[in-house]
Amino acid sequence: DTEVTQTPKHLVMGMTNKKSLKCEQHMGHRAMYWYKQKAKKPPELMFVYSYEKLSINESVPSRFSPECPNSSLLNLHLHALQPEDSALYLCASSQDWDSYNEQFFGPGTRLTVL
Amino acid sequence: QKEVEQNSGPLSVPEGAIASLNCTYSDRGSQSFFWYRQYSGKSPELIMSIYSNGDKEDGRFTAQLNKASQYVSLLIRDSQPSDSATYLCAVIGGGADGLTFGKGTHLIIQP
Repeated sequence: DTEVTQTPKHLVMGMTNKKSLKCEQHMGHRAMYWYKQKAKKPPELMFVYSYEKLSINESVPSRFSPECPNSSLLNLHLHALQPEDSALYLCASSQDWDSYNEQFFGPGTRLTVL
Repeated sequence: QKEVEQNSGPLSVPEGAIASLNCTYSDRGSQSFFWYRQYSGKSPELIMSIYSNGDKEDGRFTAQLNKASQYVSLLIRDSQPSDSATYLCAVIGGGADGLTFGKGTHLIIQP
């Protein structure tokens, strides 16, 4: 299995809602990532988990809360989002967390905040 | 501040010709370089990685790296209409980090 899966594919939420995005990989990778991609822009790094520990938080607002329950799963909990948070949220994984590991992306969750 | 620069295009190439995509980066300590292809509405797909100076070939794709000039390129031989997409250059600096992407080059292969 060489896939990164993400659920849901699409999500529409109000500014007062709480929702979660899920990401799963079964490649035995030890590093997992969340990226955010706005329309016609490149992906931007949000968080890095290495061996289930948060290693990088790129100054992301606290309304985004990552969680890594185990080595195969990565969640992104959303609360009190703003309309400008609407974007494609991409999960990626790599064998390990160093410069030489290729990152593979899941299909993404397209989030719309009303 | 790490920067990765790409010409946004669109770059229009006739079918069967060679498409040449270029990328420069600002962090001289960068160690790893990647090319991703992204179709409209889809996620990025890794097509090439390169870590040392020179050329790396994989099928119709050749990545070229020149660390002295801080320059990475991707050549696509025998271009096909299915190659039409946005090509993202991505870099990882020294040590552990996430990917820093360029803005991408929109490639159009004309039948």
